[in-house]
Parts: sequence; C-alpha cells; structure tokens
Amino acid sequence: GQQLNQSPQSMFIQEGEDVSMNCTSSSIFNTWLWYKQEPGEGPVLLIALYKAGELTSNGRLTAQFGITRKDSFLNISASIPSDVGIYFCAGEYNFNKFYFGSGTKLNVKP
Amino acid sequence: NAGVMQNPRHLVRRRGQEARLRCSPMKGHSHVYWYRQLPEEGLKFMVYLQKENIIDESGMPKERFSAEFPKEGPSILRIQQVVRGDSAAYFCASSPLGQAMNTEAFFGQGTRLTVV
Repeated sequence: GQQLNQSPQSMFIQEGEDVSMNCTSSSIFNTWLWYKQEPGEGPVLLIALYKAGELTSNGRLTAQFGITRKDSFLNISASIPSDVGIYFCAGEYNFNKFYFGSGTKLNVKP
Repeated sequence: NAGVMQNPRHLVRRRGQEARLRCSPMKGHSHVYWYRQLPEEGLKFMVYLQKENIIDESGMPKERFSAEFPKEGPSILRIQQVVRGDSAAYFCASSPLGQAMNTEAFFGQGTRLTVV
C-alpha cells in the first residue's frame, strides 16, 4: 500500500505554544484529511483539503495541501490542554481509498 | 443524521471463537472501510466495500478474516477462530458516493476486541 510518513511521532509542549506536524509521501494524493483521536474514541475529522496549494482553517487549526500533492501540514496555534490527543493525516488515493499516517501524539502541559 | 454506528463497543472472545463486528454507515453513504488499530499505533487499512461488493481487500489477512456489506443491513467484519493477536480496536469509516472528488471518510467509535 501507499506509505505516509508522519512526523513528529510525539510532541510535548507548553500551553499557549504553536504546534506543527506534517505528512509526506512518495505518491500523489487527491485529498488530504486530518483527524484527531482521543483515548477510547474513533478519529474525528478536523480538516479536509482537496486542491494542491489549498490552505484551510478551522478555528485555531490550519492545514495546507502541498503543491506537489505529496505532502500536507497541520498547524495548531495557541495550544490548550484539550488539544491533547493523536493527530492522523490521511491521503485519498485511487478513488476513495484512504491511507493513514502513523500519528502524532500531542501532549500539552498546562 | 446519525454518525457511523459500530457495535458492540467492546467484545471479549475466547481463543477459537468467532467475532462479528457490525458497522452501520452514515445515511446516504454507500462506501465502508474497515481499519485495525493496535495500542499506540496508527490505523491499518483492511478492506474497502461498497454495497454487495468488495472493492479492495488488500489489507485483510488471507485466513480467518472476511467482510461483507449486504444490500440491506450493516457491514460485518467476521473473524473466525480468534487468536490473542487479533486483540485490537477495529474501526469502520464510511464515505458518500464513490468516483467523486472531494470525498471524506467519517469514523465510528470502534469495537475493542479482546481475545482471552
């Protein structure tokens, strides 16, 4: 299957700091999705990106679809304790088949 | 509009028993995906189904695992003769009509299978 490399694996930050994480692949994707998963729950969709170069915001979250269609980043500004969780990127490849990165575990210290 | 519904949330099976995991997609969604997640790991693709068709099962183990999405009723992921290594969280996701751009996948809350 297609490989998505997501980094960093984990982050420990102070409340109020900004966060950045990214996904890269050797394959071209049609869609990039970013999810957040909290313990014991399913992933929840945060942002969807459909066009190369697209920059989309959802509150304090901003994500971009890379120009090459092979990468995407997610930024969280002014982090708060409830941002804690695992963030996954997902790329849609070959019509409706989704591949996931291995996740970035975010810890926020109050 | 209810989200993706999975049941049961938790399932305990003894080694050698069968596990049946159910997933009802969001209303209007005709595509279902199953993913497996081990603790502290990412989501691994297992199978992609449309109504009455398996589109891609490249992530499914060759033996003991099967999936279906009948014309009526939920999608079922079936694991026969479970072993301890099958213990994991199994997530279902659904998306609307295929062959369309701008599609998204929405997840259920998962079924946590424990094999004892």
